[in-house]
Amino acid sequence: GAVVSQHPSRVICKSGTSVKIECRSLDFQATTMFWYRQFPKQSLMLMATSNEGSKATYEQGVEKDKFLINHASLTLSTLTVTSAHPEDSSFYICSAGERGGSDTQYFGPGTRLTVL
Amino acid sequence: SQKIEQNSEALNIQEGKTATLTCNYTNYSPAYLQWYRQDPGRGPVFLLLIRENEKEKRKERLKVTFDTTLKQSLFHITASQPADSATYLCALAGASGYALNFGKGTSLLVTP
Repeated sequence: GAVVSQHPSRVICKSGTSVKIECRSLDFQATTMFWYRQFPKQSLMLMATSNEGSKATYEQGVEKDKFLINHASLTLSTLTVTSAHPEDSSFYICSAGERGGSDTQYFGPGTRLTVL
Repeated sequence: SQKIEQNSEALNIQEGKTATLTCNYTNYSPAYLQWYRQDPGRGPVFLLLIRENEKEKRKERLKVTFDTTLKQSLFHITASQPADSATYLCALAGASGYALNFGKGTSLLVTP
């Protein structure tokens, strides 16, 4: 089946630093990847849609200059949280849809970010 | 505004019984609806997708129904097992037609 990986699985950083999270589709090509954020006991909230070779589309209320997304290839998208603050601490999850495939999205295992 | 509502209270059932979870939505005309399973600290795992022109779909012990008139989907797990204990998420495609909007999920606990 389609597998999506994320790296790192956990990261702890100091306030003001930047953190990069990678999302890879391991056995399929993904034209589109999505980034979600999930706070404890809350729903997954879509942050942005990442399209290979073009600029990401951000949801309302998500700062594009703070959450930088790069989708350089059909198997890799990165999310960089710039100048992280404690309120950015959350569970970040990416998903990918198979190019030319069904509407099913496959999710990565998530990245737990803790900003001190 | 668009809303997706799932039972907020945890569902506790005995092993072997059928678990039924509900997903209601408003202000949506989804082309399809999906159900995912999420374990603590993990990403969601895809279970089933049902399209607007389908009333029911089955996969092993899982069954999903989709009533676009009632704007409701029911998710059934028959012969439930303790390993089925998890949070189950309902998701609908958003305005872009592909990105998913999720409900908060319903926690299921199956006891031996």
